[in-house]
Amino acid sequence: KAGVTQTPRYLIKTRGQQVTLSCSPISGHRSVSWYQQTPGQGLQFLFEYFSETQRNKGNFPGRFSGRQFSNSRSEMNVSTLELGDSALYLCASSLSPMSSYEQYFGPGTRLTVT
Amino acid sequence: ELKVEQNPLFLSMQEGKNYTIYCNYSTTSDRLYWYRQDPGKSLESLFVLLSNGAVKQEGRLMASLDTKARLSTLHITAAVHDLSATYFCAVDIGGSQGNLIFGKGTKLSVKP
Repeated sequence: KAGVTQTPRYLIKTRGQQVTLSCSPISGHRSVSWYQQTPGQGLQFLFEYFSETQRNKGNFPGRFSGRQFSNSRSEMNVSTLELGDSALYLCASSLSPMSSYEQYFGPGTRLTVT
Repeated sequence: ELKVEQNPLFLSMQEGKNYTIYCNYSTTSDRLYWYRQDPGKSLESLFVLLSNGAVKQEGRLMASLDTKARLSTLHITAAVHDLSATYFCAVDIGGSQGNLIFGKGTKLSVKP
């Protein structure tokens, strides 16, 4: 069974640009969550999607947005990139957003903003 | 402010020794997760603790949850080098995996 895949794995962008990251969950998983990991702030929750609906959103500015498609694949977009957006972006999938279900994390997309 | 505090943040231990990592949290929750992260890699789910008094064990690792004390522990028994990694606890504050607050992580180094 294939795991969670994220593309691209590495990305270098310039301040002011926008970026789109993609996440394909494990087959059959309908819940997708996104996290940002930085050395300073640690791991922070961005969004959670289930059945194409955003269920939860973390404390991030409106420049961060996301969506989920009917096949459960998810994308996140960051507009007007800032240096502080440089981070590892992790996607996780689970069967359901319910807490009892285990989350499986993808390898991450490392974004560098210059 | 919601806080999840892990200690220690850095732990250097010898192979064969036992040690415990602590995770304290400041809000009411009865769901807690432990993850492992190897350098440059993603997160691997270790334990999902869903109720007060929950105890789970896998190999040399055992996790427990005391919701009244707002404390979870990750106990390492007879450490081996392969356990070297960063361990995170995360608290569910909203009844959904989308409301996880993570600790800063404990970087464990097991030396021969």
